[in-house]
Amino acid sequence: EAGVAQSPRYKIIEKRQSVAFWCNPISGHATLYWYQQILGQGPKLLIQFQNNGVVDDSQLPKDRFSAERLKGVDSTLKIQPAKLEDSAVYLCASLRVAEPYEQYFGPGTRLTVT
Amino acid sequence: ELKVEQNPLFLSMQEGKNYTIYCNYSTTSDRLYWYRQDPGKSLESLFVLLSNGAVKQEGRLMASLDTKARLSTLHITAAVHDLSATYFCAVDINFGNEKLTFGTGTRLTIIP
Repeated sequence: EAGVAQSPRYKIIEKRQSVAFWCNPISGHATLYWYQQILGQGPKLLIQFQNNGVVDDSQLPKDRFSAERLKGVDSTLKIQPAKLEDSAVYLCASLRVAEPYEQYFGPGTRLTVT
Repeated sequence: ELKVEQNPLFLSMQEGKNYTIYCNYSTTSDRLYWYRQDPGKSLESLFVLLSNGAVKQEGRLMASLDTKARLSTLHITAAVHDLSATYFCAVDINFGNEKLTFGTGTRLTIIP
């Protein structure tokens, strides 16, 4: 079974530029998450999708971040315009909806904003 | 607001020694996860603890859950170098929506 795929793996941009990240979850996983992991910290949930609907985006900075999952499979996370404090690893995860309800994480995208 | 705290944040151990990482959380939960993260890598699931008193072991690692004390422990026995990594606990308090709140992480370094 293929794992969660993410691209790009690395991205360097200047502040005020825009950037987009892509995620393809494990086949059949209806629930998808985007996390932000700042260096030295644990991952923080940004947004959760169930199929193509948003379940929770309460921690998503909506003035600059947006995310979509149009067909209930792939997802895109966008930042526009980027700030220095957005430098982090962005992790995508998908959920196996059967005990023990584990989230499987992708390799992440490391974003550096200069 | 749920808070998940781990201690210690940093741990250097000699090979062959035993040690325990602690994970405390502030809200009732029956579901706790332990993950491992190597530098520059993603998170790898280690254990899922689903009920009070749950204990799981894999190799030199053993995890336990005390829901009454809101405490989980990750015990390392006879540490070896390849256990060097950052370990995170994560708590799910909203069974049905499966949202995880992660701890601060414990960076473990095993010294030969």
